[in-house]
Parts: sequence; C-alpha cells; structure tokens
Amino acid sequence: KAGVTQTPRYLIKTRGQQVTLSCSPISGHRSVSWYQQTPGQGLQFLFEYFSETQRNKGNFPGRFSGRQFSNSRSEMNVSTLELGDSALYLCASSGRDRALSYEQYFGPGTRLTVT
Amino acid sequence: AQSVTQLDSHVSVSEGTPVLLRCNYSSSYSPSLFWYVQHPNKGLQLLLKYTSAATLVKGINGFEAEFKKSETSFHLTKPSAHMSDAAEYFCVVSVPLSGNTGKLIFGQGTTLQVKP
Repeated sequence: KAGVTQTPRYLIKTRGQQVTLSCSPISGHRSVSWYQQTPGQGLQFLFEYFSETQRNKGNFPGRFSGRQFSNSRSEMNVSTLELGDSALYLCASSGRDRALSYEQYFGPGTRLTVT
Repeated sequence: AQSVTQLDSHVSVSEGTPVLLRCNYSSSYSPSLFWYVQHPNKGLQLLLKYTSAATLVKGINGFEAEFKKSETSFHLTKPSAHMSDAAEYFCVVSVPLSGNTGKLIFGQGTTLQVKP
C-alpha cells in the first residue's frame, strides 16, 4: 500500500508570492491534516479536512488555506508569503472518522524556503 | 488545556545501552498518547500509541512506553540502543474538539544521539 505522498518536496519562493502544496493520502483514507514544522515553534497543527470539509483549524492567519477533493487529495495554499513561512509542511492521513484516537500517517513533507 | 512536555531536548547514549526519553502530559480527559520518530529529512513515523488499553505499550523497533496516570508520564524506553535509532522523537497527545474530531499536540522533541 502506497504511503502518503507530498509534492513538491522542495520549493523556493520569494516574499509576497503564493504557493500551493499537494498531498495524496493513503488509499482509502478520508481525513487529511496539515502541520507546519519550524525549529522555533516545532510542529503546529494547521487544519484538517474530511470528506472535502474543513473540520478543524489551528491558530494560523487567513493567508493559510486548504481544500480537499472528492478523491481525498488535499492542497494547502499560502498567499503573500513571509520569511517566517519557511518551514517543513507535513501532511498526515488517517483512515478513521474519529482521527483523534487513531494513528496518523505522515508524508515526507514539503520543504518551503521563502527568500 | 492539553499539552506535552518532553523533559530533555537532547539525549546521548552509547550503542547497546538503554534509552529513556521522558514525556509528561497534561490533559483534562483520558488522553490518547503517541510517540513518533523523525529521521533526518524524513516524515514522522508512529512508534507506538496508548488509547486507554494496556498501560504498557509495545511499539516497533523494540521501543515501549508506560502510561502512568499518577505521574502524568508516558516515557519511552528501549533496552538496547542501535545506531539506527539516532533521530528526533516526539511525544504527542490528542486533543478532542467538537464534532467527534480532534487534533494532535506535539512536544518540542528530543534528539537522540547514539555513540558507537
């Protein structure tokens, strides 16, 4: 069974630009969560999608948005990039409706560098 | 509020010696707790999980953790370290949200160094 895939693996963008990251969950998984990992703040929850609906959102500005498609693939978008958005963005999928108590499977991440 | 505190940011052991990575949690609910490992330039891999079943949880690669409610701890151990265990380890608690959903809260991570 293929794991969670994320594309692209690496991105370099300039301040003010926007970026779209993609995540394909494990086949059959319906829940997709996004996390931001930085050396200073660690791993922080961005949002979670289930059946094309955003169920939960972390404490991030509105520049961070996402969506989920009918095949459960998810994208996240960051507009008006800032230097502080440089991070590893991780996507995780879960097969359960109640993703809370069940393990999440993580992709390798997309390394975003903003210059 | 739910949170996790990893008591050591860096742990160094010699190959073949025991590993102990410490984690304390704070939760208003009966928590679900996890340990994840992250190797350099890789995503996170689940080592083990506690979801109110047995308090001693066995995971992959010889790791195990014991849930101690009285001490609000969930320490990760391994009897004998291997060079391949060198990585960053995260203690994680799940946070319930409305609508039967939730999110994961990560500790700050512990870097495990294994010396030959």
